[in-house]
Amino acid sequence: AQSVAQPEDQVNVAEGNPLTVKCTYSVSGNPYLFWYVQYPNRGLQFLLKYITGDNLVKGSYGFEAEFNKSQTSFHLKKPSALVSDSALYFCAVRDVRYYGQNFVFGPGTRLSVLP
Amino acid sequence: KAGVTQTPRYLIKTRGQQVTLSCSPISGHRSVSWYQQTPGQGLQFLFEYFSETQRNKGNFPGRFSGRQFSNSRSEMNVSTLELGDSALYLCASSSNRELNTEAFFGQGTRLTVV
Repeated sequence: AQSVAQPEDQVNVAEGNPLTVKCTYSVSGNPYLFWYVQYPNRGLQFLLKYITGDNLVKGSYGFEAEFNKSQTSFHLKKPSALVSDSALYFCAVRDVRYYGQNFVFGPGTRLSVLP
Repeated sequence: KAGVTQTPRYLIKTRGQQVTLSCSPISGHRSVSWYQQTPGQGLQFLFEYFSETQRNKGNFPGRFSGRQFSNSRSEMNVSTLELGDSALYLCASSSNRELNTEAFFGQGTRLTVV
């Protein structure tokens, strides 16, 4: 079965410091991995995805993610955090049991960037 | 290019009533999926429509249904509302059904059942 874990409910980081939001996954077959961000009272915004190729994926707003097949991880990173990055972050994997547009989402990690 | 539009943004309904939510996908997108977001269960997949046909369905009771029109707009319906149906309902659109294609989400409809 497809599943996604985000081991930290909350991550606090000081503005200007690097940030990491962790994600591990369990899939059958090739993983199709995504990161989304949700701001208060808003829908989800796409940040980046890993399909194949380079293990370091660059996305929107200066975010990047590192795919590690042996550790089944897909951690989201940013070299220098901004207060405006404070939001709820979701890691997701395509549910390959069903061909099509359905995700299995992790529980989310709330990121707080402190000024 | 306009994003995914969901209407209404907020709804308050009484137990036992039914509700219809609407989603207009990004122009040219033919795949529309629906998700339920609650604090306890997180984000859960409801169903996916493509070319007016339901392609996949999540693990929800039959009270949850949907449809898609020829212009790709989609509606979801919840009948006989229960208190536990209170949630943020999110619609997502994609240009195709490929596994490597990202989805774009609307702002959601917040449904409160009292």
